[in-house]
Amino acid sequence: NAGVTQTPKFQVLKTGQSMTLQCAQDMNHNSMYWYRQDPGMGLRLIYYSASEGTTDKGEVPNGYNVSRLNKREFSLRLESAAPSQTSVYFCASSEFGGRGTDTQYFGPGTRLTVL
Amino acid sequence: GDSVTQMEGPVTLSEEAFLTINCTYTATGYPSLFWYVQYPGEGLQLLLKATKADDKGSNKGFEATYRKETTSFHLEKGSVQVSDSAVYFCARNYGGSQGNLIFGKGTKLSVKP
Repeated sequence: NAGVTQTPKFQVLKTGQSMTLQCAQDMNHNSMYWYRQDPGMGLRLIYYSASEGTTDKGEVPNGYNVSRLNKREFSLRLESAAPSQTSVYFCASSEFGGRGTDTQYFGPGTRLTVL
Repeated sequence: GDSVTQMEGPVTLSEEAFLTINCTYTATGYPSLFWYVQYPGEGLQLLLKATKADDKGSNKGFEATYRKETTSFHLEKGSVQVSDSAVYFCARNYGGSQGNLIFGKGTKLSVKP
């Protein structure tokens, strides 16, 4: 099993450009998450999908959109990138988002730089 | 709002030293508590967790006890190794059945041979 995979691993954008970060999991998990990690800030939740067909905002959703394409895939889109979106982005999944004891499994991350 | 506070790093120890990383959480609801570890260049992975008061989570020689009276979940290891060098994150869920996590800012540990 590959677990949670993310593409690309690295990306450099210019201000105003758009891009989509891809995430897929092969563990048949119901819930998926997008986080950003900034120095000294820990991880902050951008969006999550508790189950296929649903998405909800997290702590820092402004400037992002998401799509839960199917049970396996959850993408994050930056429509007009800004330097403040320079960060490392992590996708995660868990078996049931509505079960507070569940472990989240993380992908390897995408390092994004916006110039 | 709900939050998790953990000791700031970086923490530098010699091999075989005792490790403590402090973590406290806001006491709203009845959260589950987690420690995640991030090795260089990788994503986070679960180290241990505890789901109710007085539970002790343990894994790979690390331990943490859910202390409701002090709202704490401190991470300890009796003898660290160079391979334990990583960033450690304390986290809580939003409480009850809510699966979303709130993370602390992370503590970087470096272990010298």
